[in-house]
Amino acid sequence: GAVVSQHPSWVICKSGTSVKIECRSLDFQATTMFWYRQFPKQSLMLMATSNEGSKATYEQGVEKDKFLINHASLTLSTLTVTSAHPEDSSFYICSARSSPLAGGLDEQFFGPGTRLTVL
Amino acid sequence: AQSVSQHNHHVILSEAASLELGCNYSYGGTVNLFWYVQYPGQHLQLLLKYFSGDPLVKGIKGFEAEFIKSKFSFNLRKPSVQWSDTAEYFCAVTVWNNYGQNFVFGPGTRLSVLP
Repeated sequence: GAVVSQHPSWVICKSGTSVKIECRSLDFQATTMFWYRQFPKQSLMLMATSNEGSKATYEQGVEKDKFLINHASLTLSTLTVTSAHPEDSSFYICSARSSPLAGGLDEQFFGPGTRLTVL
Repeated sequence: AQSVSQHNHHVILSEAASLELGCNYSYGGTVNLFWYVQYPGQHLQLLLKYFSGDPLVKGIKGFEAEFIKSKFSFNLRKPSVQWSDTAEYFCAVTVWNNYGQNFVFGPGTRLSVLP
């Protein structure tokens, strides 16, 4: 199947700093990417849907000014956690949707996740 | 709103026991259904999926699932589990919006297989 990578895989930062997480589709073009958050021993919660070249759509309760999403190209989306606090510590997972229009099969493929720890 | 429920939070089995994990969803329209597995410290992997056709779907590693539309269910089964099946299992439903398919995940079921 298609491969989605995330970088970094693990990041530790101080409270008040900003952290950028990258999500890349390595062998296909992704018109849409999704960002999820997974708390320990819980399921994935969709944070936002990111479309290439347009503003992201955030789920209810997700602060768009805190979680900045940029989908600059068909293979890259970034999530920036601004002014991070300990409660933002979590596992962030992206997925990328391959589009039939871009030669894909209209499926979603998940990245390996990024573990964020805010001290 | 669409939701997915999974019957068990934690299932403990001995090796060679049979497995069935329940999954129910609430959505009145056409759905695509998935089971994902997350091994400790690893990312989500697709076990199997149902889009249409035969409601009995076979996936990787000996897993299968049956879609019963009248019951809004998509239960996961395996006739004989192995210690290596110890993992978290997530049922997911896709719903469609302007951007294509969007996943709604169940809360997950932790499977522990004792050697």
